[in-house]
Amino acid sequence: NAGVMQNPRHLVRRRGQEARLRCSPMKGHSHVYWYRQLPEEGLKFMVYLQKENIIDESGMPKERFSAEFPKEGPSILRIQQVVRGDSAAYFCASSQTGDGGTEAFFGQGTRLTVV
Amino acid sequence: SQQGEEDPQALSIQEGENATMNCSYKTSINNLQWYRQNSGRGLVHLILIRSNEREKHSGRLRVTLDTSKKSSSLLITASRAADTASYFCATASSGTYKYIFGTGTRLKVLA
Repeated sequence: NAGVMQNPRHLVRRRGQEARLRCSPMKGHSHVYWYRQLPEEGLKFMVYLQKENIIDESGMPKERFSAEFPKEGPSILRIQQVVRGDSAAYFCASSQTGDGGTEAFFGQGTRLTVV
Repeated sequence: SQQGEEDPQALSIQEGENATMNCSYKTSINNLQWYRQNSGRGLVHLILIRSNEREKHSGRLRVTLDTSKKSSSLLITASRAADTASYFCATASSGTYKYIFGTGTRLKVLA
């Protein structure tokens, strides 16, 4: 079991470009969560998805950010027209159930730098 | 809104000593998890304790949970330099899936 895989590990984008972050959950996990971490801070919840469904996107900025988890393939977090304030580490986690009753395992994160 | 808060924010100890970190939260929870994060790296899952459990052990780690005080503690015994990292607690409210993280305790173990 390879664990939660995120790619790329590091991503540099110029202001105004699009950033696409990918997350493959652990085998057997159908619940995916995205978090953002600013330097020296804790993780902030962004969005929770199940296969083909967004369950809770209450932590996502209203504009420029979107997420999907298609039937086939990884979950994608997309940031359009990036700004310097989007620079952060973005972590994906997956769990076997979506009721908070099982462990959530995290990937190594994608560190986005906007220049 | 629910927010876990770790205490202390930073802790510096000598190798071989024990390290204790605390986490407080605000609402009823389903479970509480502790994670370790080395600088610039991902989160490593350490231990999950459910709301009906009071204590759990894993190697040199001991976690306690007091639901009446809405608090948890993580004890690392016989610390090593390799334990140097940030430690976070994450809580899942009863009936929900959303894990809420605290701001973390930065532990430094001096060799």
